[in-house]
Amino acid sequence: RKEVEQDPGPFNVPEGATVAFNCTYSNSASQSFFWYRQDCRKEPKLLMSVYSSGNEDGRFTAQLNRASQYISLLIRDSKLSDSATYLCVVFYNQGGKLIFGQGTELSVKP
Amino acid sequence: EPEVTQTPSHQVTQMGQEVILRCVPISNHLYFYWYRQILGQKVEFLVSFYNNEISEKSEIFDDQFSVERPDGSNFTLKIRSTKLEDSAMYFCATRPGRGSYEQYFGPGTRLTVT
Repeated sequence: RKEVEQDPGPFNVPEGATVAFNCTYSNSASQSFFWYRQDCRKEPKLLMSVYSSGNEDGRFTAQLNRASQYISLLIRDSKLSDSATYLCVVFYNQGGKLIFGQGTELSVKP
Repeated sequence: EPEVTQTPSHQVTQMGQEVILRCVPISNHLYFYWYRQILGQKVEFLVSFYNNEISEKSEIFDDQFSVERPDGSNFTLKIRSTKLEDSAMYFCATRPGRGSYEQYFGPGTRLTVT
């Protein structure tokens, strides 16, 4: 089983749509979770941390279910500028490293 | 807003040559990392560095790789004898300290080995 697994994508949606990304992780001892965004050939940029209670930042909502080892990201009212690859990322205490999923590509069309 | 910087942005080298990739971490950050991303693949952890020593390294980080922080500011990744399969984007990342797990990435160095 992959350490971090994401929806394969790509997701092609119209502007204004709501889109949801899912992710599962294999190490139940993982402590912290993040969504990063990566534009083509650029560095990953932190979008938001993910907490057990769920958290929201504007149009973005992240959820964590530790029992199911499942993470989600919801984007409401999609904008053209949301087009990017969304990376599900897990922090491992051992060495403090980040483990990345393969990423899900989102394309928002006019 | 403080940023991680990396130089060069693009490095072309011949197989067997040594390369040094440089990173300037965000000031006051304590944990430093190198990751790489082969074109079309996911971001992979290479090595973590804290208190002037390696905390952990991946299987990719073999004897051809080394890291150091020679002057207390720059954080470097050296590849002693490059191979074709070392061609990738190399990202430096830094983290503030204990209790903060977010990592902030530099813009990357694109390494092309011919």
